[in-house]
Amino acid sequence: DAGVIQSPRHEVTEMGQEVTLRCKPISGHNSLFWYRQTMMRGLELLIYFNNNVPIDDSGMPEDRFSAKMPNASFSTLKIQPSEPRDSAVYFCASSPHLAGRTDTQYFGPGTRLTVL
Amino acid sequence: AQSVTQLGSHVSVSEGALVLLRCNYSSSVPPYLFWYVQYPNQGLQLLLKYTTGATLVKGINGFEAEFKKSETSFHLTKPSAHMSDAAEYFCAVSESGGYNKLIFGAGTRLAVHP
Repeated sequence: DAGVIQSPRHEVTEMGQEVTLRCKPISGHNSLFWYRQTMMRGLELLIYFNNNVPIDDSGMPEDRFSAKMPNASFSTLKIQPSEPRDSAVYFCASSPHLAGRTDTQYFGPGTRLTVL
Repeated sequence: AQSVTQLGSHVSVSEGALVLLRCNYSSSVPPYLFWYVQYPNQGLQLLLKYTTGATLVKGINGFEAEFKKSETSFHLTKPSAHMSDAAEYFCAVSESGGYNKLIFGAGTRLAVHP
């Protein structure tokens, strides 16, 4: 399997622009996670999907952030409008959801976002 | 609520020396604990995890960790460091609830020098 695929790997944009990050989970996995990694706050869970349905979005920082999962093989994280403080590495991870709390999460390579 | 503390944001060892990365957790329910490794410009990869049963857990690349309930610790060790072990290591606890919501520590960057 190719693993979790994220695109783009790097994104540089200007403040106020819309940014869309994309993720393809591992085939057969039915749980998907979006994380944000910054020096100040470390790794934070933004949102969790199970069977394409958002289950926990308590980590989404504000209304400028939105995430969708239209089907089992694709998810997007959108920031509109973007701000410099959104600069971070965004990771997508997927999991087979076999045993709940003990499931292993498989991470993609991340998208490094820079907002000027 | 669960939390994780990793002591030492940077650890430096010589090649061939013992690696010890410290992790302490706080949990109101039986903890499920994980160590992940992040190589430069890559995503996180699972090293090992403790769920139930044997408290000494062996993982990939020669790493192991021991769950000590009395000390609320889950320290990561490797008897002999290799240059390829240089990376950032994250300890995590699975928060109570219906899914594997991970609470990560701040991470420890391991440097290995010749």
